[in-house]
Amino acid sequence: RKEVEQDPGPFNVPEGATVAFNCTYSNSASQSFFWYRQDCRKEPKLLMSVYSSGNEDGRFTAQLNRASQYISLLIRDSKLSDSATYLCVVNRGYQKVTFGTGTKLQVIP
Amino acid sequence: DVKVTQSSRYLVKRTGEKVFLECVQDMDHENMFWYRQDPGLGLRLIYFSYDVKMKEKGDIPEGYSVSREKKERFSLILESASTNQTSMYLCASSFLTDREQYFGPGTRLTVL
Repeated sequence: RKEVEQDPGPFNVPEGATVAFNCTYSNSASQSFFWYRQDCRKEPKLLMSVYSSGNEDGRFTAQLNRASQYISLLIRDSKLSDSATYLCVVNRGYQKVTFGTGTKLQVIP
Repeated sequence: DVKVTQSSRYLVKRTGEKVFLECVQDMDHENMFWYRQDPGLGLRLIYFSYDVKMKEKGDIPEGYSVSREKKERFSLILESASTNQTSMYLCASSFLTDREQYFGPGTRLTVL
């Protein structure tokens, strides 16, 4: 089983739709979690950290479920500019950072 | 704003050549990382460094070495480039190892 697994997609959604991605991780000792966004041929950039209590940043909501070992990202009111690949990142502490392979989102006019 | 720069955006080398990729960060971060990114495989850690002159192997260190002589600079060296090292190479830095990483724009290396 991979340490971090994501559905590669692509998720094709119309503008204004709500879309959710999940990411599962295998190591229960994982300590910190992040979502990054990567545009085509660009570097990954931090979208948001994921906290145990869940957190929201505008149209984006991230949740952590430790019992089931997954994190999620919800995007409301999708914009064309949200089209990108979303990378899940799991950190088990010192040195042990694992990136998921990413979920591709395409928002359609 | 954190800025991470890489010496080249695109590089073409021949098999057997020695290749240097340089990365510089301007935020006084302790930790620096080198990844490669390939379709379907995601980002894979090659090496990282948590201090000047210190280095640790990542998941795929074979065929690579690194150098960190100054805090702001982390170099990746391919001693003898091979075609299977054709990839996108991304450098990153972070203040703490378990906090967010800031990436450079990447170097797309092609080995012929």
